[in-house]
Amino acid sequence: NAGVTQTPKFRILKIGQSMTLQCTQDMNHNYMYWYRQDPGMGLKLIYYSVGAGITDKGEVPNGYNVSRSTTEDFPLRLELAAPSQTSVYFCASSGNQPQHFGDGTRLSIL
Amino acid sequence: AQSVTQLDSQVPVFEEAPVELRCNYSSSVSVYLFWYVQYPNQGLQLLLKYLSGSTLVKGINGFEAEFNKSQTSFHLRKPSVHISDTAEYFCAVSPGAGGTSYGKLTFGQGTILTVHP
Repeated sequence: NAGVTQTPKFRILKIGQSMTLQCTQDMNHNYMYWYRQDPGMGLKLIYYSVGAGITDKGEVPNGYNVSRSTTEDFPLRLELAAPSQTSVYFCASSGNQPQHFGDGTRLSIL
Repeated sequence: AQSVTQLDSQVPVFEEAPVELRCNYSSSVSVYLFWYVQYPNQGLQLLLKYLSGSTLVKGINGFEAEFNKSQTSFHLRKPSVHISDTAEYFCAVSPGAGGTSYGKLTFGQGTILTVHP
């Protein structure tokens, strides 16, 4: 089993561009999460989903959107990239605890 | 609302010495507690978890942690560290079973453990 797979691993965007960070899991988990990690700040929850068709905001949702059309996939969309969104993004999934994490996407906005 | 405070941002230690990484939390409901490790350019890997039962929890790579409800702490310990333990460690808390925010993790700021030869 691959677990949680994130693509791409690295990306550079220009200010104002849009992109979608992909996340897929093969563990049939109901819960999925998106976090961003900034140096010295730990991980902050952006959005989460408790099942297909159900999503909700986390602590830092501004500037992001998500959808959950299937159990496996939970893409994160940036519509108008801003320098403040330069970060490392992690996707995670869980059934019962604990959460399983992907390897992250390093995103730079220039 | 929950919060997690990791009391040390960096901990340097010599190889084979003991180490303790400190974590305090606050929550108005019962909680689950976790320690994760992150090696450079990798995702987070679960070290250990406390869901219920014995307050002394043993994890992978020789780490253990003790849940202290009265002091709202969940400190991570290892009696003898190795060079390969150099990494960043995160303490995290989520509401326990029956909580309305089941599964949502709140992370501490992280502690960078550096093991010197």
